[in-house]
Amino acid sequence: AQSVSQHNHHVILSEAASLELGCNYSYGGTVNLFWYVQYPGQHLQLLLKYFSGDPLVKGIKGFEAEFIKSKFSFNLRKPSVQWSDTAEYFCAVKGILTGGGNKLTFGTGTQLKVEL
Amino acid sequence: DTEVTQTPKHLVMGMTNKKSLKCEQHMGHRAMYWYKQKAKKPPELMFVYSYEKLSINESVPSRFSPECPNSSLLNLHLHALQPEDSALYLCASSQGTSGPTQYFGPGTRLTVL
Repeated sequence: AQSVSQHNHHVILSEAASLELGCNYSYGGTVNLFWYVQYPGQHLQLLLKYFSGDPLVKGIKGFEAEFIKSKFSFNLRKPSVQWSDTAEYFCAVKGILTGGGNKLTFGTGTQLKVEL
Repeated sequence: DTEVTQTPKHLVMGMTNKKSLKCEQHMGHRAMYWYKQKAKKPPELMFVYSYEKLSINESVPSRFSPECPNSSLLNLHLHALQPEDSALYLCASSQGTSGPTQYFGPGTRLTVL
């Protein structure tokens, strides 16, 4: 079974501060990794994804994430946050099975609040 | 276009009512999903449809009944719900069950009185 841990449940930053949100997963095989964002009152949107290749992936709105296989981690980063980045951030993992299947497992989420 | 639409946006129902949630996508995706999301919690998978056939039921109570009339539509029929079923119900779709990326709709906010 796969599982995802997000250790930071609530993060408060000032505008222009740098952001790093932790995500660790547990799965013995190949994985697809995702970060989704949910702005207040809005639906889940895909920020970025990693399937293979360059472990540093860039997403929308200046976000990036780095896949470190040895650490089973996929941390989300942004050099300078804006007030509009206030949202809930979910890390998600899909374990690749030989027979297929597409069950996404979400972490518990990190609530980010950016103060002016 | 990565749009998944859901109707209604909000639904209030009594425990004896029967209602349905609707989800639609026109991306040619062949896998569709229902998730339940409680406040401040991650989405929890309920059902997966692949090529219009139910492939995963995550031990969901029978008061929730999914239906996939065609490859673009996914319904969730609700009957005799409990107040604890109040939540945001999300629909998602992907190219196939092996297609990695799921795209989510805006959800239906359900309140059971």
